[in-house]
Amino acid sequence: AQSVTQPDIHITVSEGASLELRCNYSYGATPYLFWYVQSPGQGLQLLLKYFSGDTLVQGIKGFEAEFKRSQSSFNLRKPSVHWSDAAEYFCAVALYSSASKIIFGSGTRLSIRP
Amino acid sequence: DGGITQSPKYLFRKEGQNVTLSCEQNLNHDAMYWYRQDPGQGLRLIYYSQIVNDFQKGDIAEGYSVSREKKESFPLTVTSAQKNPTAFYLCASSMGDWEQGQFFGPGTRLTVL
Repeated sequence: AQSVTQPDIHITVSEGASLELRCNYSYGATPYLFWYVQSPGQGLQLLLKYFSGDTLVQGIKGFEAEFKRSQSSFNLRKPSVHWSDAAEYFCAVALYSSASKIIFGSGTRLSIRP
Repeated sequence: DGGITQSPKYLFRKEGQNVTLSCEQNLNHDAMYWYRQDPGQGLRLIYYSQIVNDFQKGDIAEGYSVSREKKESFPLTVTSAQKNPTAFYLCASSMGDWEQGQFFGPGTRLTVL
């Protein structure tokens, strides 16, 4: 069955440190890949997406993600986190043909240590 | 400013009552979606609509109903048949070419007393 796994439930990093959030998927083909961010009690905001082409994609707020086909991964990175990055981050994947089949991971909560 | 609005932000209902959550968008998007979010879980799709007067069940449609009479509006009714309705509900919309991603509203937190 298709699935999306975010293995880290909660991560704490120091302000200014680098960040990597992991996302692995299980699909027969290369899916469409997304990262969203959610502040407490708010909706989700799209950070970046990957469909094809360059496997390193740039997003908003200084985030980037790299698609690695061999590892079925789409990890999110940021070189230097800010206190305002504290939020919940969701990886999502979709079959190319159906937006209704977007599957979300269970999320990773990011805390920032002053 | 274009966006998606959901109302109310907090909603309380007694067991056995139906309740309707509002979702309005002025982004001129064709498709709209309703998701349910529970603590520690990802979003689960309840219903979606790709055009006016048409909608499809998602993964957890039981106990919910929707309508799509206008392009801008996609209300969700949580019926008394929904066994565990307490959750955070998110509405989203997307262009017909949905690959641009989905835009989300701020959510409604429903609590059943």
